Amino acid sequence: AQSVAQPEDQVNVAEGNPLTVKCTYSVSGNPYLFWYVQYPNRGLQFLLKYITGDNLVKGSYGFEAEFNKSQTSFHLKKPSALVSDSALYFCAVRDMVSGGYNKLIFGAGTRLAVHP
Amino acid sequence: GAVVSQHPSWVICKSGTSVKIECRSLDFQATTMFWYRQFPKQSLMLMATSNEGSKATYEQGVEKDKFLINHASLTLSTLTVTSAHPEDSSFYICSASQVGVRETQYFGPGTRLLVL
Repeated sequence: AQSVAQPEDQVNVAEGNPLTVKCTYSVSGNPYLFWYVQYPNRGLQFLLKYITGDNLVKGSYGFEAEFNKSQTSFHLKKPSALVSDSALYFCAVRDMVSGGYNKLIFGAGTRLAVHP
Repeated sequence: GAVVSQHPSWVICKSGTSVKIECRSLDFQATTMFWYRQFPKQSLMLMATSNEGSKATYEQGVEKDKFLINHASLTLSTLTVTSAHPEDSSFYICSASQVGVRETQYFGPGTRLLVL
């Protein structure tokens, strides 16, 4: 079965410093990987996805993620964190089911706290 | 683009009543819509998947007679919580995948349900 793991419940970083939010995955076949961000009492916002192609994927708000097949990882990164980046981040993997629709399996989420 | 709305954003109801939540894709046609439930400080739990014009597919453990899903058009899906009880209080989030871009889900802002 497909699964994702986010090993850190919370990540703390100072504003202006680089940030990394970790995600590892377990899939059969080629992975479709996603990052979403959730602000308090809001739905999820799509940040970026990896389907195929370049291992470094650039997304919204200056975020990027690096797909590493050998380490089965898809860590989210940003060169310089902003206080406004503080939110809950979810990694997800596609689970293709019969009927052809795409079901997402989410990690537990990582809370990012950026301190001034 | 790819905006999903939900209505209402907040609802408080008495135990035993039914509540309907609407999910609309505003600027695209949605092949498939998904309904999730999120408990405080937890990840999203997929409840069901619906394709326009067909019956919803429910995840294991989700009561289909309690959580009625209708996907009447390519831009509208509704979730009705029937005979609501306090344990149904939660944050309900819908998502939609676009025709032709099925691997990415775009999420609504969520609906917070409180059953008294």
